[in-house]
Amino acid sequence: ETGVTQTPRHLVMGMTNKKSLKCEQHLGHNAMYWYKQSAKKPLELMFVYSLEERVENNSVPSRFSPECPNSSHLFLHLHTLQPEDSALYLCASSQEGPGDTEAFFGQGTRLTVV
Amino acid sequence: SQQGEEDPQALSIQEGENATMNCSYKTSINNLQWYRQNSGRGLVHLILIRSNEREKHSGRLRVTLDTSKKSSSLLITASRAADTASYFCATVRNYQLIWGAGTKLIIKP
Repeated sequence: ETGVTQTPRHLVMGMTNKKSLKCEQHLGHNAMYWYKQSAKKPLELMFVYSLEERVENNSVPSRFSPECPNSSHLFLHLHTLQPEDSALYLCASSQEGPGDTEAFFGQGTRLTVV
Repeated sequence: SQQGEEDPQALSIQEGENATMNCSYKTSINNLQWYRQNSGRGLVHLILIRSNEREKHSGRLRVTLDTSKKSSSLLITASRAADTASYFCATVRNYQLIWGAGTKLIIKP
């Protein structure tokens, strides 16, 4: 257990569906992240929140919409996804700002878009 | 853009042997971090080494950093079957973590 919990672990959704991924951290960290991991590609940073404010949005399509209601919770809302969005989505948190301290990862949500 | 590049892409060794993985990067960094990922699961932090450090140890792990060559190495001594995983380096520049594609390590019993 890393102290970062992601739900669901697996998700299959159609291209017209709307779903949300949830991440919760029990570590009292100030920064939270969403990453996308596709086969044989480096981890792609999608969004960064620091003290509940979005500080980074790496040119992610608008069909991905993050929400950070408080410092412990992070959501990724999904709508009208494409098959190429199928991947492992990882949430992470860190005590300080991005990169300054180690990141703790959740187990990920394996997303399949059909 | 990809900053860290791990080498080799895949490594298969016998249990008990040492495993060495390398990471090269292109620009100056604040720190460099190594992570492990078991198949299809989240990443686990192993070691963080800052740009003014040259070597760090943690149990059977030894990480070196050579900023003049823009490279780092991760040594796992006396490997075990449980070390089978993918290993990633992440370089930190301007407070962003930038990841390589990883080295897949297989420990044969």
